[in-house]
Order: sequence, then C-alpha cells, then structure tokens
Amino acid sequence: GQNIDQPTEMTATEGAIVQINCTYQTSGFNGLFWYQQHAGEAPTFLSYNVLDGLEEKGRFSSFLSRSKGYSYLLLKELQMKDSASYLCAVKDSNYQLIWGAGTKLIIKP
Amino acid sequence: DVKVTQSSRYLVKRTGEKVFLECVQDMDHENMFWYRQDPGLGLRLIYFSYDVKMKEKGDIPEGYSVSREKKERFSLILESASTNQTSMYLCASSRTGEVTEAFFGQGTRLTVV
Repeated sequence: GQNIDQPTEMTATEGAIVQINCTYQTSGFNGLFWYQQHAGEAPTFLSYNVLDGLEEKGRFSSFLSRSKGYSYLLLKELQMKDSASYLCAVKDSNYQLIWGAGTKLIIKP
Repeated sequence: DVKVTQSSRYLVKRTGEKVFLECVQDMDHENMFWYRQDPGLGLRLIYFSYDVKMKEKGDIPEGYSVSREKKERFSLILESASTNQTSMYLCASSRTGEVTEAFFGQGTRLTVV
C-alpha cells in the first residue's frame, strides 16, 4: 500500500530552527509537496521537490532524497505565526496526491 | 488572487438529510477535488473531476456523490447524512500538468446530529 509518515507533533522555540521529516512509500513518484495549514483554515502551498536536493524559499527550505523515500522541511528563524500543521504529500504514478496526516508544530516564546 | 470558495464554513445537519456542499473556483482549472480531513488522518480523497461532467471515485466515495455541470463548480452530495460523515470537507482545484499545486477552499465543517 501507499504510505506517508510524519511526526504527529513537534515543539520548537521562537527564533530557532526546526526540521520536519517525511518518509514515503508510494507506487511511483512524480513530486513531493509541502503545505502549511493553520488551525481551522485551508492548506496553502509551501514548496515542491521533484529532483534530489534542497529547494530554498526564504526562511523555508525543503529537501528530497528519492532513493531514500525521504524529505524534510526546514524552518529557520521561527516566528509565532509559524505555529501550524505541515502536510507532506506525494504525487504517485497516476499523478494522484497521497497525503500524510500532518505534523502539528507548536512554537513557544 | 486565486480563489476557491466553498458555500458554507459551518453546517449542522440531521441524520438522513440530503446535504449539498458547493465549491466554485475562478482560476479556470480543469481539475477539482473533494477531500475530508479528520484528526490523525491525512486528507482523504472522496471524488475528483478532470473535466466537466466527468467524475472519478477517490479512496472513500461510499455515501457520497458529486456533480460537475460547469467547469468552475464542483458539488459534493451526501445522499443521506450519517454521524460518521461529521468532518471537515475541503475542496481543491488545480491545473492539469505535472508540476501543479492544489489550491484549497476554506473548508466546510459539517456536523451531523
């Protein structure tokens, strides 16, 4: 079956750095997405990786290793507004998105 | 500014009622999706559509149906609501292509009592 694993919850301190991991086992791979979802709101797109390596976008970076079935989202200089759930999703061989359950990130002052 | 709009933010319905959830997108996207989101579970795909009048079952279609009469509108129908359909429902749309992200509506929190 298809499976995406993420930690359920993480806690970090304002101003620090946090890494949220995502491992996947899917039938085929056509890209990996990270979304941010604030409580009670819709998910919003953060990043996309299809080739191995690091994609940087401001304070957020996303890394992919296709051979390991592994990605991480790196958040730097954490702000209170970064408190949210972070969803990892993989497009499989049919270009369908398979979603992880999400990681709830709690930022403490 | 791209937009996906769901007709209701919160709904409370009685068991056995027929429920309509409406979704409209203004980006001329070909693809539209209905998901439900429950605590501890990932987004689960109910139905999707790649074109007008076209629909495909997702992972959990039982108890649901959909309608796509116009490109911009995708409706989710609960034929006879049950308490286990209490959930957050999210509509999304995307362009066709490999590198295309999905844009989501604000969600409808449905409670069936």
